[in-house]
Amino acid sequence: DARVTQTPRHKVTEMGQEVTMRCQPILGHNTVFWYRQTMMQGLELLAYFRNRAPLDDSGMPKDRFSAEMPDATLATLKIQPSEPRDSAVYFCASGWRGGLAGGELFFGEGSRLTVL
Amino acid sequence: AQTVTQSQPEMSVQEAETVTLSCTYDTSENNYYLFWYKQPPSRQMILVIRQEAYKQQNATENRFSVNFQKAAKSFSLKISDSQLGDTAMYFCAFRGDDKIIFGKGTRLHILP
Repeated sequence: DARVTQTPRHKVTEMGQEVTMRCQPILGHNTVFWYRQTMMQGLELLAYFRNRAPLDDSGMPKDRFSAEMPDATLATLKIQPSEPRDSAVYFCASGWRGGLAGGELFFGEGSRLTVL
Repeated sequence: AQTVTQSQPEMSVQEAETVTLSCTYDTSENNYYLFWYKQPPSRQMILVIRQEAYKQQNATENRFSVNFQKAAKSFSLKISDSQLGDTAMYFCAFRGDDKIIFGKGTRLHILP
C-alpha cells in the first residue's frame, strides 16, 4: 500500500534549536509539496519540487527555513533556529504531474511541531 | 495569483440530511483541476472528489457530488445522506500549472 511517510510524527523542542522533518514520497511521484497548517492560516504552501528541482519556495521564511530533495526518495524541511511561532503541523504531499494526469496530492500524516 | 475562498467557516447538520459546502476560486488559467479534501480528527488528508476544468459533467463519488460552474468560478460540494463519519474539516483546492492552493476550510459537524 503506497503512502507518503513523514518523520517525526511529533516533535517538541526549545526555541533556537534546529528541527529537521523528513518525507519519503510515493515511489514514482514527480512532485513533492510542503505545507504548514495552523488554526489561523489554514494550509500554507511552503515549498514544492518537481523532478527534485525546487520550483517555488516563496511561502517559506528564507532566513530560517530550507527545503531540499537530496534524492527521489527523500525530501527534508529544516528550521534553524526554531521559534515558538513555528509551532504547527507540517505536511508533506506527493503527486504525479504530467500529460493528462490529474495530479491530486497524497498526504503524509503530518509532523506536529511544538517550539517552547 | 490564484485564490480559493471558502465562505463557511463552520456548519452543522443532522445525520441523514444533505449539506452543501461552498467554494469559489480565482484564476486566469483555462486548464486546471479542483479538489475537495476531507480532514477528520485524525488529521489525515483524504481526497474526496476531483473535477477537471475541461469536463462539463459534474463529478460524483457515491454520496459526494460537486456543482462546478466554470464561468462563475464556483465549485461546491454536496454530501447526501450525511453520516456521523462525515464530521471533519473540508478543504477546497485548486491546481493550475503546478501549485495546489487550498481554501481555509469548512468545519462540518454531523449531529446524531
